[in-house]
Amino acid sequence: AQSVSQHNHHVILSEAASLELGCNYSYGGTVNLFWYVQYPGQHLQLLLKYFSGDPLVKGIKGFEAEFIKSKFSFNLRKPSVQWSDTAEYFCAVTPQQAGTALIFGKGTTLSVSS
Amino acid sequence: EAGVAQSPRYKIIEKRQSVAFWCNPISGHATLYWYQQILGQGPKLLIQFQNNGVVDDSQLPKDRFSAERLKGVDSTLKIQPAKLEDSAVYLCASSPTTGNTIYFGEGSWLTVV
Repeated sequence: AQSVSQHNHHVILSEAASLELGCNYSYGGTVNLFWYVQYPGQHLQLLLKYFSGDPLVKGIKGFEAEFIKSKFSFNLRKPSVQWSDTAEYFCAVTPQQAGTALIFGKGTTLSVSS
Repeated sequence: EAGVAQSPRYKIIEKRQSVAFWCNPISGHATLYWYQQILGQGPKLLIQFQNNGVVDDSQLPKDRFSAERLKGVDSTLKIQPAKLEDSAVYLCASSPTTGNTIYFGEGSWLTVV
């Protein structure tokens, strides 16, 4: 069965620090990969996605993620975090087939202090 | 473009009572999903519809949960009878026929006491 593993449960950073959140998945075939963010009191929003092509994808608000196929990883990065990035971040994967449900990791809570 | 609409936003019920949640997906989206998100965990798929047919309900506790999408548009998720462990956020999401981006509603927060 497919699964998604997020290594960090809770990350605490100061403003301007760099961020990297780990995500690994288990699935033998071709996948689509996503990072979603959930700000306090808000719904899940898409940060970025990877379907094919350049393995380095850029999303909203300065986030980027790199797909490393050999490592089954899709880590999220941001060079300099802001207080407003405080949120919960979810990595998700789905087989590359239209309309297939996403499988989510357990999420990483990011707390940024100003 | 209007997003995924869900109601009610919040519900508190006693165990063994029943509850129903409603979802209206983004217009034109053929695929509709119900996810359950327990505090501290990632969303878990309960059921997936393609138009008005069920694609995947393998993780739906069918002894107490039911869902329907009769006309291939909006959907209802029902829990009867509720248990304490059903306390969670119930997320509805939709996606178009082609492409894999899934769009989520704001969720319905259920507390069972």
